[in-house]
Amino acid sequence: AQSVSQHNHHVILSEAASLELGCNYSYGGTVNLFWYVQYPGQHLQLLLKYFSGDPLVKGIKGFEAEFIKSKFSFNLRKPSVQWSDTAEYFCAVNAPGDTGRRALTFGSGTRLQVQP
Amino acid sequence: ETGVTQTPRHLVMGMTNKKSLKCEQHLGHNAMYWYKQSAKKPLELMFVYNFKEQTENNSVPSRFSPECPNSSHLFLHLHTLQPEDSALYLCASSQDLASGSDEQYFGPGTRLTVT
Repeated sequence: AQSVSQHNHHVILSEAASLELGCNYSYGGTVNLFWYVQYPGQHLQLLLKYFSGDPLVKGIKGFEAEFIKSKFSFNLRKPSVQWSDTAEYFCAVNAPGDTGRRALTFGSGTRLQVQP
Repeated sequence: ETGVTQTPRHLVMGMTNKKSLKCEQHLGHNAMYWYKQSAKKPLELMFVYNFKEQTENNSVPSRFSPECPNSSHLFLHLHTLQPEDSALYLCASSQDLASGSDEQYFGPGTRLTVT
């Protein structure tokens, strides 16, 4: 089965700092990749997704992610974080061509704390 | 408002109780999911239903019993739970599993505490 690794468990940044959260997956076939965000007390919501095409994907709130197939990575970036970006971020993957792997597999999450 | 609602939002139950969690989606989707979110652990997929048929049971103990009477509703029946089952239980829905290329929409979750 595919797996997803998020190596940064807790990240603390000051406002205006740049952000990069790592995500690596293990699956050799075609994948769809997602980043979800969970703000304090709120439900999980989609930040951005990659299915095909341009490997640089832009999402909501100024976030972007780059799919690097050779590295099995889908890192999340934002050039300048705000206090309101404080949340937990989850990377997820599924394999659309594999009937047994179409449900999402999530990483363990990265808690981002932005200090004003 | 995500279009996916869950009730109750909080539940405290003893180990001998029987309770049920309810999920309802108003998005016209055909696939529904139960996840368990515990502290410091990845979201764990529990069950998947596609067009009311269970397509995945991720080695979940039998004290958790899902039910999907129609594409809009999903239940999780709980009985004789253990304290380690305390967690946030999330419901999600997506268009269906045919393409595997659609996003999942999540409900707010039920915070379950087993005493």
